[in-house]
Amino acid sequence: GNSVTQMEGPVTLSEEAFLTINCTYTATGYPSLFWYVQYPGEGLQLLLKATKADDKGSNKGFEATYRKETTSFHLEKGSVQVSDSAVYFCALSDKGGNKLTFGTGTQLKVEL
Amino acid sequence: SAVISQKPSRDICQRGTSLTIQCQVDSQVTMMFWYRQQPGQSLTLIATANQGSEATYESGFVIDKFPISRPNLTFSTLTVSNMSPEDSSIYLCSVNLGRGDEQFFGPGTRLTVL
Repeated sequence: GNSVTQMEGPVTLSEEAFLTINCTYTATGYPSLFWYVQYPGEGLQLLLKATKADDKGSNKGFEATYRKETTSFHLEKGSVQVSDSAVYFCALSDKGGNKLTFGTGTQLKVEL
Repeated sequence: SAVISQKPSRDICQRGTSLTIQCQVDSQVTMMFWYRQQPGQSLTLIATANQGSEATYESGFVIDKFPISRPNLTFSTLTVSNMSPEDSSIYLCSVNLGRGDEQFFGPGTRLTVL
């Protein structure tokens, strides 16, 4: 079956530091890949997505590239802000969006 | 995207009782989903709710415990029956708009069972 593995948190960074959150996946076929973000006390928001190999998803300064050869979808941001503090979930979907499989989530804390 | 609302936003319930959670979407959608997020953990799909047919449950979840209704294309309910403290979780509904593989989530219902 499908699975998603994320790096464990919490990850604590200083403001303006570079962020990488690793995500690898196991899936049959060619899934779509997503990063969702959950801010404190809020629901899940779609941050970015990629639907095929070598696609790069980007939003709010965050980027992730769909790497089929390494089955990875690492999340990066060049300069984090305190407001980026949240839990980040990597997820994959079979084509058709019938089921999302989530990673365990990585908590990011950004300090001044 | 879509505007998705859930009621209640939170509740505290006694063991042995049942709670029905409502999910309302501002547009007609074919596919709606219910997830559970246990404290400090990731999301797990409970079931897929399609209008006009019975819900499809994932392994480990059964209709008697989590009955679902889907009376039309903008609304669904999830009932958590005969609750125990282990049911304390955030329950989220989501939708697929049929324009891609992504799902959009409601704000969640935070349930505490005493």
